Amino acid sequence: AQTVTQSQPEMSVQEAETVTLSCTYDTSENNYYLFWYKQPPSRQMILVIRQEAYKQQNATENRFSVNFQKAAKSFSLKISDSQLGDTAMYFCALDDYKLSFGAGTTVTVRA
Amino acid sequence: NAGVTQTPKFQVLKTGQSMTLQCAQDMNHEYMSWYRQDPGMGLRLIHYSVGAGITDQGEVPNGYNVSRSTTEDFPLRLLSAAPSQTSVYFCASSSGGVNTEAFFGQGTRLTVV
Repeated sequence: AQTVTQSQPEMSVQEAETVTLSCTYDTSENNYYLFWYKQPPSRQMILVIRQEAYKQQNATENRFSVNFQKAAKSFSLKISDSQLGDTAMYFCALDDYKLSFGAGTTVTVRA
Repeated sequence: NAGVTQTPKFQVLKTGQSMTLQCAQDMNHEYMSWYRQDPGMGLRLIHYSVGAGITDQGEVPNGYNVSRSTTEDFPLRLLSAAPSQTSVYFCASSSGGVNTEAFFGQGTRLTVV
């Protein structure tokens, strides 16, 4: 069985500041991938960043970066220099042979 | 390139009615899946397919049927709608295997009254 846990239902951040979203997961597989997806009010699912489990180096995509701790099965997302357009729900997802999602964290960026 | 197309965007059903949610992709992806999204529960996998003619159950398959007669299409059928099936439904496709990015349709908001 695989589970993805996001323990923060909601986060609020001031524009230009940094926010970190937490995610823990459980899998018995050794080869897997982790993703963060963004869902704005339009409902569209947008891939933000991905991480290969066999890579120790943390992935970065512009203002988005992850802290991947394989032994702890932790995969947090850091959004730097937050912008109003970052307001959305963010989902952590685990793909070992099926894609499973966490419950989501709603991020609100305040002007 | 249309990507993943879901229809309809909105639907209201009466309890006991049946309907089919359509999903089509034009990326020649082998892997297709259906999720439902409920508040506080994220996206839960209903059914998935790893290729034409092959389907399997996900986490919450009861009350839903799927078939995959072509690579492009993966319809989801509600046999006898129940209020518990009120949700937002997403279809997704990927080229298959671990690490491949999943592309999502725009979602269908279904209300069963």
